[in-house]
Amino acid sequence: DIQMTQSPSSLSASVGDRVTISCRASQTISNYLNWYQQKPGKAPKLLIFAASSLQSGVPSRFSGSGSGTDFTLTISSLQPEDFATYYCQQSYSAPRTWTFGQGTRVEIK
Amino acid sequence: QVQLVQSGAEVKKPGASVKVSCKASGYSFNSYAMHWVRQAPGQRLEWMGWINTGNGDTKYSHKFQGRVTITSDTSARTVSMELSSLRFEDTAVYYCAKMGEASGFPFDYWGQGTLVTVSS
Repeated sequence: DIQMTQSPSSLSASVGDRVTISCRASQTISNYLNWYQQKPGKAPKLLIFAASSLQSGVPSRFSGSGSGTDFTLTISSLQPEDFATYYCQQSYSAPRTWTFGQGTRVEIK
Repeated sequence: QVQLVQSGAEVKKPGASVKVSCKASGYSFNSYAMHWVRQAPGQRLEWMGWINTGNGDTKYSHKFQGRVTITSDTSARTVSMELSSLRFEDTAVYYCAKMGEASGFPFDYWGQGTLVTVSS
C-alpha cells in the first residue's frame, strides 16, 4: 500500500505569513495528489486536485506543486480563516485506492 | 447545489452492526461514484470504500473487507454503508463523499458526518 507522510505535523504561524506544507508518497504517484482543509467539527473541503489545480471557489492564495513522490501545499498569505488541519490524499494505486496523510495542523502564533 | 445529507448519530454495542445513509441531491446521481471515509477521534482520515452508483460495483479497503457493505438506491438517491462486527475502535465520524470528475479523482463534496459510538 502507498503511504503518505506529511511534514510538519503542526506549525504555528501569524496572519500574513507564507506557509508551506509537504507531503511525501512512499512510491511514485505521478500527479494523483489532492489537498483538503478540515476545520474542527466539520467535513473536509477540497482545495487542490491533481497536485496543482485549484478547486472552484478556493482563494488563489492556495497553491499546490509537485509530482512523483514529493508535493507541496503553499498558502501565500495566511488569513484568519485558514487556521485548520490540512490533509494530502493519493489516488494513484492500482487497483485504485485512496490514502490520506496524517494531517498538518496550522495554529495561530 | 450539491448536497449530501447523512443520517443521525448512532450508539452501538460491540459485535453489532451499524448502517449509515447518505442522501444526495443537486447532481446526476448515477454519474458519480460515492466514497465512505471515517475519522476516529484525533486521527487521520481513513478511506473505507466506494460504489459506482451507475452499475453498483464496489471496492473496499483491505482493512474493512468482509465487514463493510456499501449499497446504492437510485430511486431514493441514497448510498448506504453498513459496518458489521463493531469494535470499540470503530468509534468514529463517518463521512460520505462524492467523487468529482476532475483528474486526480478528488472528493469534491462531503456529507456532514455521522458519529458512530461503540460502547458497552
